Amino acid sequence: DSGVTQTPKHLITATGQRVTLRCSPRSGDLSVYWYQQSLDQGLQFLIQYYNGEERAKGNILERFSAQQFPDLHSELNLSSLELGDSALYFCASSVSGQAEAFFGQGTRLTVV
Amino acid sequence: LAKTTQPISMDSYEGQEVNITCSHNNIATNDYITWYQQFPSQGPRFIIQGYKTKVTNEVASLFIPADRKSSTLSLPRVSLSDTAVYYCLVMDTGRRALTFGSGTRLQVQP
Repeated sequence: DSGVTQTPKHLITATGQRVTLRCSPRSGDLSVYWYQQSLDQGLQFLIQYYNGEERAKGNILERFSAQQFPDLHSELNLSSLELGDSALYFCASSVSGQAEAFFGQGTRLTVV
Repeated sequence: LAKTTQPISMDSYEGQEVNITCSHNNIATNDYITWYQQFPSQGPRFIIQGYKTKVTNEVASLFIPADRKSSTLSLPRVSLSDTAVYYCLVMDTGRRALTFGSGTRLQVQP
């Protein structure tokens, strides 16, 4: 158990819909990262937050947004969903910008 | 951000030592080298991190030559459960993005 909690574990939704993925970081970790991993693909960095502020942005679509709340949990919002958005979405947390990040078990999103 | 190059895949047998080399020609002075392991449908797991020479922990060793333009992850006596994708990352711990490359898919056979 990495200490990072992601909910839900599985999500099935229809095209055009909007979903919210939630991440609770390890206690004490201020940085939260979001990644997308499509079937048999690499990990695509989406966005990073540090102590409530956006710190880095990767290949995140305009239909996607995220935020980190004062209690440090984070949410990734995916809207106008397309079939191609089906993927595993991972959240990771770390102390500051440390290279040792701890990953959650992911949310498997299926868009039908 | 330093770009890394790793072999796409490697095969080994149980009990053998496996060495996975990563090239990072434009590594910066403040960059650290970090390796992660990922099993199917699971989040990556931190294995080891180093800056220069050699680092060893309970699961692996990391060898970094003096010029730091490459690094080698060494897994002693692999077992079937070491079958996974291994990622090499180079980053300044003060930097912003933790970016993964394509990784090396290690297949361990009996």
